[in-house]
Amino acid sequence: SQQGEEDPQALSIQEGENATMNCSYKTSINNLQWYRQNSGRGLVHLILIRSNEREKHSGRLRVTLDTSKKSSSLLITASRAADTASYFCDRDKIIFGKGTRLHILP
Amino acid sequence: EAGVAQSPRYKIIEKRQSVAFWCNPISGHATLYWYQQILGQGPKLLIQFQNNGVVDDSQLPKDRFSAERLKGVDSTLKIQPAKLEDSAVYLCASSSGVAESTDTQYFGPGTRLTVL
Repeated sequence: SQQGEEDPQALSIQEGENATMNCSYKTSINNLQWYRQNSGRGLVHLILIRSNEREKHSGRLRVTLDTSKKSSSLLITASRAADTASYFCDRDKIIFGKGTRLHILP
Repeated sequence: EAGVAQSPRYKIIEKRQSVAFWCNPISGHATLYWYQQILGQGPKLLIQFQNNGVVDDSQLPKDRFSAERLKGVDSTLKIQPAKLEDSAVYLCASSSGVAESTDTQYFGPGTRLTVL
């Protein structure tokens, strides 16, 4: 079974709005990472959060981790057209979920 | 710093043919990964190398897929014979290997394989 699952599968928002996507996992983790994949491009690492961290920021990105619920969320604030991409979470580099396809509307 | 290089970028073959992909990781990176990404899905880890040794190949279909990293630097992934369901993008990634659990993976552009 998948070790990480992103939710929702697809999300469309207006430019400037915030986007939130979630990731759930089934077994304990050492860390959880978020990646972005633009159409036709490779995966790019966005942020890593360790199991003993609850929140982490990087620019317009905010990641939270709730180990009791086995879930993480990625918040992108003030979205831009360039944020249109698929976002994946990764549990200890093993298996990715199907991702959340984010589309920023002009 | 040069990124992860992969070739070819695209490959079209007929089923039952053989194909090989090449990956050159970032210089100095000890860990190398091959992933398969089928359209609409997330990447699936096929094999992980630490230097020239295999760390994890539990999801590699060993009846038709093989991979090697003989000198602990670049790597090749081979499919022999190919099936229609092998159509996918094959991604190579590398990481420093210093601290496996927190290493950042750097991905190459991928090789898009189409099996007809």
